[in-house]
Amino acid sequence: GAGVSQSPRYKVAKRGQDVALRCDPISGHVSLFWYQQALGQGPEFLTYFQNEAQLDKSGLPSDRFFAERPEGSVSTLKIQRTQQEDSAVYLCASSLDRGSGNTIYFGEGSWLTVV
Amino acid sequence: GNSVTQMEGPVTLSEEAFLTINCTYTATGYPSLFWYVQYPGEGLQLLLKATKADDKGSNKGFEATYRKETTSFHLEKGSVQVSDSAVYFCALTLKAAGNKLTFGGGTRVLVKP
Repeated sequence: GAGVSQSPRYKVAKRGQDVALRCDPISGHVSLFWYQQALGQGPEFLTYFQNEAQLDKSGLPSDRFFAERPEGSVSTLKIQRTQQEDSAVYLCASSLDRGSGNTIYFGEGSWLTVV
Repeated sequence: GNSVTQMEGPVTLSEEAFLTINCTYTATGYPSLFWYVQYPGEGLQLLLKATKADDKGSNKGFEATYRKETTSFHLEKGSVQVSDSAVYFCALTLKAAGNKLTFGGGTRVLVKP
């Protein structure tokens, strides 16, 4: 596609539910990132993939968060047993490769509200 | 660690006014610097970038100059329009950190007609 596509755009989950958020990066982009953006704050890094390899997961806030990119294209961020503090916008981004200064393109985000 | 600090908003301006948003950074290394913009209801978009000292990034009338000596990357526009109302984020990447973006907290700008 022309840009980074994320689904669902909006998700309301009951506390304790599991959720899965999908990201379709720009075709051919090697690098894929997930960020979490709380209301009124800047995005915070969660995890990074280069192709199918998850090279950095230092930003994942707990072991309830899990991300995968099995074929080096589409990625899924899974949150188990959701808590209210997980309410945020989850942003996916991709770039052509890992080079410093390369433009990173963002999707519109998946808005998660945990009630 | 690496961090970005930008002025808090909201910044409210009249149309055709001059806009400055201050951004300073701390980095263990030589970062690339970015400004991203988030229009209401839309995703983050790259506005401009600079990858080395004294480079000037520019786009849509916005400019920012990479100042290594003051570790700053202030965003400026000479004459804002209502359509510039958005949240602006300063950010950096470091090659050693795998090119992941570190963002500032964002500055909301509201331009009134």
